[in-house]
Amino acid sequence: GQNIDQPTEMTATEGAIVQINCTYQTSGFNGLFWYQQHAGEAPTFLSYNVLDGLEEKGRFSSFLSRSKGYSYLLLKELQMKDSASYLCAVMDSNYQLIWGAGTKLIIKP
Amino acid sequence: GAVVSQHPSWVICKSGTSVKIECRSLDFQATTMFWYRQFPKQSLMLMATSNEGSKATYEQGVEKDKFLINHASLTLSTLTVTSAHPEDSSFYICSARDIGQGETDTQYFGPGTRLTVL
Repeated sequence: GQNIDQPTEMTATEGAIVQINCTYQTSGFNGLFWYQQHAGEAPTFLSYNVLDGLEEKGRFSSFLSRSKGYSYLLLKELQMKDSASYLCAVMDSNYQLIWGAGTKLIIKP
Repeated sequence: GAVVSQHPSWVICKSGTSVKIECRSLDFQATTMFWYRQFPKQSLMLMATSNEGSKATYEQGVEKDKFLINHASLTLSTLTVTSAHPEDSSFYICSARDIGQGETDTQYFGPGTRLTVL
């Protein structure tokens, strides 16, 4: 079956760095997405990786290893507003999105 | 775990026809379901919130007469795109909130439906 795993919850300190991991097993691969979702709001697109390697975008970076079925989202210089759920989703060979359950990130001062 | 399905997974239709997309929560009950539209590499755009047994709440700018939503049961919501036009071509995603988890904001997302209007 298809499966996406990411931690349920993580806690980090303001100003620090946090890495949110995502492992996947899917039938085919057409890219991996990271979204940020604040409570009561729609998910906001953060990144899309289809090739191996690191994509950096400001304070956020996303890494992909297709051979390992692994990705991570790296958040630097954490701010209180980064407290949110982070969703990992993989597009399979049928261009369907397989969603992880989301990682709730709690930022403490 | 909580699973949300969508049917069909993809559909191609002619301009002017109507298309119905189903969203089902397979192993939990959902009083609230959400319909999103996604453009490539962009954030999900919330179209409407579907509440079981009552009228859907549409976001500003979404035509409720064009995008008909019915949430007839605790496990099924449907989105009907009426008189579809090429500009309606998009990836439509639904999500459902598990009633059993109380006030949590956790949403479970469906795999999406790719609509192409010729």
